[in-house]
Amino acid sequence: AQSVAQPEDQVNVAEGNPLTVKCTYSVSGNPYLFWYVQYPNRGLQFLLKYITGDNLVKGSYGFEAEFNKSQTSFHLKKPSALVSDSALYFCAVPPYNNNDMRFGAGTRLTVKP
Amino acid sequence: NAGVTQTPKFRVLKTGQSMTLLCAQDMNHEYMYWYRQDPGMGLRLIHYSVGEGTTAKGEVPDGYNVSRLKKQNFLLGLESAAPSQTSVYFCASTLGSFSDTQYFGPGTRLTVL
Repeated sequence: AQSVAQPEDQVNVAEGNPLTVKCTYSVSGNPYLFWYVQYPNRGLQFLLKYITGDNLVKGSYGFEAEFNKSQTSFHLKKPSALVSDSALYFCAVPPYNNNDMRFGAGTRLTVKP
Repeated sequence: NAGVTQTPKFRVLKTGQSMTLLCAQDMNHEYMYWYRQDPGMGLRLIHYSVGEGTTAKGEVPDGYNVSRLKKQNFLLGLESAAPSQTSVYFCASTLGSFSDTQYFGPGTRLTVL
Protein backbone atom coordinates (compact mmCIF):
# COMPACT_ATOMS: atom_id res chain seq x y z
CA ALA A 1 0.00 0.00 0.00
CA GLN A 2 1.09 3.56 -0.64
CA SER A 3 2.15 5.53 2.41
CA VAL A 4 4.09 8.58 3.50
CA ALA A 5 5.73 9.44 6.80
CA GLN A 6 6.67 12.75 8.32
CA PRO A 7 9.26 12.02 11.00
CA GLU A 8 9.05 15.41 12.74
CA ASP A 9 5.96 16.68 14.55
CA GLN A 10 7.44 20.14 14.93
CA VAL A 11 10.08 22.19 13.17
CA ASN A 12 11.29 25.52 14.51
CA VAL A 13 13.39 27.94 12.50
CA ALA A 14 14.37 31.56 12.74
CA GLU A 15 13.10 34.00 10.15
CA GLY A 16 15.54 34.31 7.28
CA ASN A 17 17.05 30.88 7.82
CA PRO A 18 16.51 27.98 5.42
CA LEU A 19 13.84 25.47 6.34
CA THR A 20 13.32 21.79 5.61
CA VAL A 21 10.24 19.72 6.33
CA LYS A 22 10.86 16.03 5.86
CA CYS A 23 8.77 13.37 4.14
CA THR A 24 9.59 9.79 3.24
CA TYR A 25 7.46 7.55 1.09
CA SER A 26 6.69 3.93 0.39
CA VAL A 27 4.98 3.35 -2.93
CA SER A 28 4.66 0.87 -5.74
CA GLY A 29 5.95 2.02 -9.07
CA ASN A 30 6.66 5.65 -9.86
CA PRO A 31 5.13 7.90 -7.23
CA TYR A 32 3.01 10.99 -7.45
CA LEU A 33 3.82 13.05 -4.36
CA PHE A 34 2.21 16.17 -3.00
CA TRP A 35 2.78 18.85 -0.38
CA TYR A 36 -0.12 20.76 1.14
CA VAL A 37 -0.18 23.55 3.73
CA GLN A 38 -2.85 24.30 6.32
CA TYR A 39 -3.08 27.69 7.97
CA PRO A 40 -5.02 27.99 11.26
CA ASN A 41 -8.74 27.31 10.92
CA ARG A 42 -8.46 26.82 7.18
CA GLY A 43 -8.62 23.95 4.73
CA LEU A 44 -5.51 22.54 3.09
CA GLN A 45 -3.95 24.36 0.17
CA PHE A 46 -1.83 22.85 -2.58
CA LEU A 47 1.87 23.76 -2.58
CA LEU A 48 3.48 21.51 -5.17
CA LYS A 49 3.58 18.04 -6.64
CA TYR A 50 6.03 15.63 -8.20
CA ILE A 51 5.00 13.48 -11.14
CA THR A 52 8.07 12.54 -13.16
CA GLY A 53 11.12 14.25 -14.55
CA ASP A 54 13.09 16.95 -12.76
CA ASN A 55 13.83 15.93 -9.18
CA LEU A 56 13.56 19.52 -7.96
CA VAL A 57 9.98 20.72 -8.00
CA LYS A 58 9.14 24.38 -7.52
CA GLY A 59 5.84 25.40 -5.97
CA SER A 60 3.87 28.23 -4.44
CA TYR A 61 5.17 30.87 -2.01
CA GLY A 62 8.84 30.14 -2.81
CA PHE A 63 8.73 26.52 -1.66
CA GLU A 64 10.44 23.69 -3.46
CA ALA A 65 10.80 19.98 -2.88
CA GLU A 66 13.50 17.53 -3.79
CA PHE A 67 12.57 14.03 -4.91
CA ASN A 68 15.22 11.49 -3.96
CA LYS A 69 14.52 7.99 -5.22
CA SER A 70 17.45 6.29 -3.50
CA GLN A 71 16.44 7.69 -0.10
CA THR A 72 12.68 7.50 -0.85
CA SER A 73 12.32 11.07 0.34
CA PHE A 74 10.46 14.16 -0.79
CA HIS A 75 11.58 16.94 1.54
CA LEU A 76 10.03 20.39 1.38
CA LYS A 77 12.47 23.30 1.42
CA LYS A 78 12.63 27.06 1.35
CA PRO A 79 15.85 29.10 1.24
CA SER A 80 14.66 31.87 3.57
CA ALA A 81 11.78 31.35 6.00
CA LEU A 82 9.13 33.94 6.75
CA VAL A 83 7.03 34.26 9.90
CA SER A 84 4.00 33.90 7.64
CA ASP A 85 5.20 30.39 6.66
CA SER A 86 4.19 29.18 10.11
CA ALA A 87 1.56 26.51 9.47
CA LEU A 88 0.89 22.78 9.37
CA TYR A 89 2.43 20.96 6.41
CA PHE A 90 1.32 17.64 4.98
CA CYS A 91 2.84 15.38 2.39
CA ALA A 92 0.52 13.03 0.55
CA VAL A 93 0.46 10.23 -1.96
CA PRO A 94 -2.53 9.23 -4.10
CA PRO A 95 -3.63 5.60 -4.19
CA TYR A 96 -2.19 2.93 -6.40
CA ASN A 97 -5.41 0.98 -6.64
CA ASN A 98 -8.01 3.77 -6.42
CA ASN A 99 -8.83 2.99 -2.84
CA ASP A 100 -7.21 5.46 -0.51
CA MET A 101 -5.42 8.80 -0.40
CA ARG A 102 -2.67 8.81 2.19
CA PHE A 103 -1.57 11.89 4.09
CA GLY A 104 1.29 12.13 6.51
CA ALA A 105 0.51 13.06 10.12
CA GLY A 106 1.64 16.61 9.50
CA THR A 107 4.55 18.78 10.62
CA ARG A 108 3.96 22.03 12.43
CA LEU A 109 6.40 24.66 11.23
CA THR A 110 7.03 27.64 13.48
CA VAL A 111 9.12 30.52 12.17
CA LYS A 112 10.24 32.91 14.88
CA PRO A 113 11.14 36.55 14.23
CA ASN B 1 -15.71 30.92 -8.20
CA ALA B 2 -16.42 29.94 -4.63
CA GLY B 3 -14.38 26.74 -5.00
CA VAL B 4 -15.34 24.19 -2.36
CA THR B 5 -17.79 25.22 0.35
CA GLN B 6 -18.98 23.36 3.41
CA THR B 7 -21.96 23.82 5.68
CA PRO B 8 -22.20 24.11 8.59
CA LYS B 9 -18.90 25.45 9.93
CA PHE B 10 -19.51 24.29 13.48
CA ARG B 11 -21.92 21.85 15.09
CA VAL B 12 -22.44 20.32 18.50
CA LEU B 13 -24.40 17.07 18.72
CA LYS B 14 -25.48 14.80 21.51
CA THR B 15 -24.67 11.11 21.32
CA GLY B 16 -27.19 9.34 19.13
CA GLN B 17 -28.29 12.38 17.16
CA SER B 18 -28.02 12.50 13.39
CA MET B 19 -26.83 15.18 11.02
CA THR B 20 -25.77 15.81 7.44
CA LEU B 21 -22.76 17.80 6.29
CA LEU B 22 -23.03 19.41 2.89
CA CYS B 23 -20.15 19.94 0.48
CA ALA B 24 -20.56 21.89 -2.74
CA GLN B 25 -18.07 22.65 -5.52
CA ASP B 26 -18.47 24.90 -8.54
CA MET B 27 -15.42 23.71 -10.50
CA ASN B 28 -17.18 20.90 -12.37
CA HIS B 29 -14.91 18.36 -10.69
CA GLU B 30 -15.69 14.68 -11.08
CA TYR B 31 -14.11 13.36 -7.89
CA MET B 32 -15.11 14.40 -4.39
CA TYR B 33 -13.85 13.27 -0.98
CA TRP B 34 -14.68 13.44 2.70
CA TYR B 35 -11.84 13.39 5.24
CA ARG B 36 -11.61 13.69 8.97
CA GLN B 37 -8.67 15.37 10.68
CA ASP B 38 -7.64 14.36 14.17
CA PRO B 39 -4.59 15.62 16.08
CA GLY B 40 -1.43 13.69 15.23
CA MET B 41 -3.16 11.56 12.62
CA GLY B 42 -3.23 13.74 9.55
CA LEU B 43 -6.22 13.38 7.27
CA ARG B 44 -8.01 10.09 6.87
CA LEU B 45 -10.33 9.37 3.98
CA ILE B 46 -13.89 8.48 4.98
CA HIS B 47 -15.69 8.09 1.64
CA TYR B 48 -15.18 9.30 -1.88
CA SER B 49 -17.02 9.59 -5.17
CA VAL B 50 -15.66 9.34 -8.70
CA GLY B 51 -18.75 10.80 -10.31
CA GLU B 52 -22.40 11.65 -9.93
CA GLY B 53 -24.32 8.72 -8.47
CA THR B 54 -21.21 6.85 -7.28
CA THR B 55 -19.72 6.44 -3.82
CA ALA B 56 -16.99 4.26 -2.32
CA LYS B 57 -15.45 3.57 1.07
CA GLY B 58 -12.18 5.03 2.19
CA GLU B 59 -9.97 4.19 5.14
CA VAL B 60 -12.46 4.95 7.95
CA PRO B 61 -16.05 4.59 6.63
CA ASP B 62 -17.78 3.07 9.67
CA GLY B 63 -20.55 5.20 11.15
CA TYR B 64 -20.83 7.42 8.07
CA ASN B 65 -22.89 7.39 4.89
CA VAL B 66 -22.60 9.52 1.79
CA SER B 67 -24.57 10.46 -1.28
CA ARG B 68 -23.73 12.16 -4.56
CA LEU B 69 -27.05 12.82 -6.25
CA LYS B 70 -25.75 15.89 -8.07
CA LYS B 71 -22.26 16.32 -9.48
CA GLN B 72 -21.61 19.49 -7.52
CA ASN B 73 -22.76 18.17 -4.12
CA PHE B 74 -21.39 15.49 -1.80
CA LEU B 75 -23.25 14.84 1.44
CA LEU B 76 -21.83 13.16 4.54
CA GLY B 77 -24.30 11.71 7.01
CA LEU B 78 -23.95 10.57 10.58
CA GLU B 79 -26.96 8.44 11.50
CA SER B 80 -26.19 8.02 15.19
CA ALA B 81 -23.35 10.25 16.34
CA ALA B 82 -20.75 8.98 18.79
CA PRO B 83 -18.09 10.90 20.78
CA SER B 84 -15.42 9.18 18.65
CA GLN B 85 -16.75 11.15 15.70
CA THR B 86 -15.70 14.43 17.27
CA SER B 87 -13.34 15.79 14.64
CA VAL B 88 -12.79 18.36 11.94
CA TYR B 89 -14.28 17.25 8.64
CA PHE B 90 -12.93 18.39 5.29
CA CYS B 91 -14.40 17.99 1.88
CA ALA B 92 -12.19 18.07 -1.20
CA SER B 93 -12.51 17.66 -4.94
CA THR B 94 -10.28 16.85 -7.91
CA LEU B 95 -10.85 17.34 -11.59
CA GLY B 96 -10.78 13.78 -12.80
CA SER B 97 -8.44 11.49 -10.91
CA PHE B 98 -6.82 10.81 -7.56
CA SER B 99 -3.50 12.18 -8.79
CA ASP B 100 -4.91 15.62 -9.58
CA THR B 101 -4.52 18.51 -7.17
CA GLN B 102 -7.06 18.41 -4.37
CA TYR B 103 -9.09 21.53 -3.58
CA PHE B 104 -10.30 21.64 0.01
CA GLY B 105 -13.22 23.27 1.73
CA PRO B 106 -12.77 25.29 4.94
CA GLY B 107 -13.84 22.45 7.21
CA THR B 108 -16.61 21.65 9.68
CA ARG B 109 -15.77 21.32 13.36
CA LEU B 110 -18.06 18.72 14.91
CA THR B 111 -18.29 17.99 18.63
CA VAL B 112 -20.29 15.02 19.88
CA LEU B 113 -21.09 15.13 23.57
